[in-house]
Amino acid sequence: NAGVTQTPKFQVLKTGQSMTLQCAQDMNHNSMYWYRQDPGMGLRLIYYSASEGTTDKGEVPNGYNVSRLNKREFSLRLESAAPSQTSVYFCASSTDRFYEQYFGPGTRLTVT
Amino acid sequence: DQQVKQNSPSLSVQEGRISILNCDYTNSMFDYFLWYKKYPAEGPTFLISISSIKDKNEDGRFTVFLNKSAKHLSLHIVPSQPGDSAVYFCAARRANNLFFGTGTRLTVIP
Repeated sequence: NAGVTQTPKFQVLKTGQSMTLQCAQDMNHNSMYWYRQDPGMGLRLIYYSASEGTTDKGEVPNGYNVSRLNKREFSLRLESAAPSQTSVYFCASSTDRFYEQYFGPGTRLTVT
Repeated sequence: DQQVKQNSPSLSVQEGRISILNCDYTNSMFDYFLWYKKYPAEGPTFLISISSIKDKNEDGRFTVFLNKSAKHLSLHIVPSQPGDSAVYFCAARRANNLFFGTGTRLTVIP
């Protein structure tokens, strides 16, 4: 039972490049989330998907897009990366909206 | 504007003693509160939660207390163990968002 998996673990991008962060969960959870964590700050919600087929903005959605590909997978896309998007990105899932969430190990992204 | 605050960046406690981690919040509309533990290079792990209609929830060595009038949340760990050394985040739920504090690094000294 892998729980929540994220790929890649590390990524370095140049300003303006694009990339997609992948997330998958095998717990049959309905809801999935993307957060970012910056030094000295708590986790901040970027986007979430309450159920398959729906996505909604969180606290800091600008510069990102998401896709809930199916119940298992929720991807985060940076269309044109900026240095301000340098962060650690965490994917999470839960049975219901905003209850106990299970987190992946994170993706450390650096934009130069 | 930080709606959930953990004002102590770090805390050191002797093994076997009680650890008390504190969290303050500003929004009275929060209806559910959670504590997470995080080890380096790992994602946060859920510890314990409490609904806003309760004032205490206990799970083994972990107890969460909620004081709504003071808008204050605390996590008690008794007895503290070296494996508890980690960063602890409190989080609060309102509508379609979960707001996290900045974390407190707990060090349990053997």
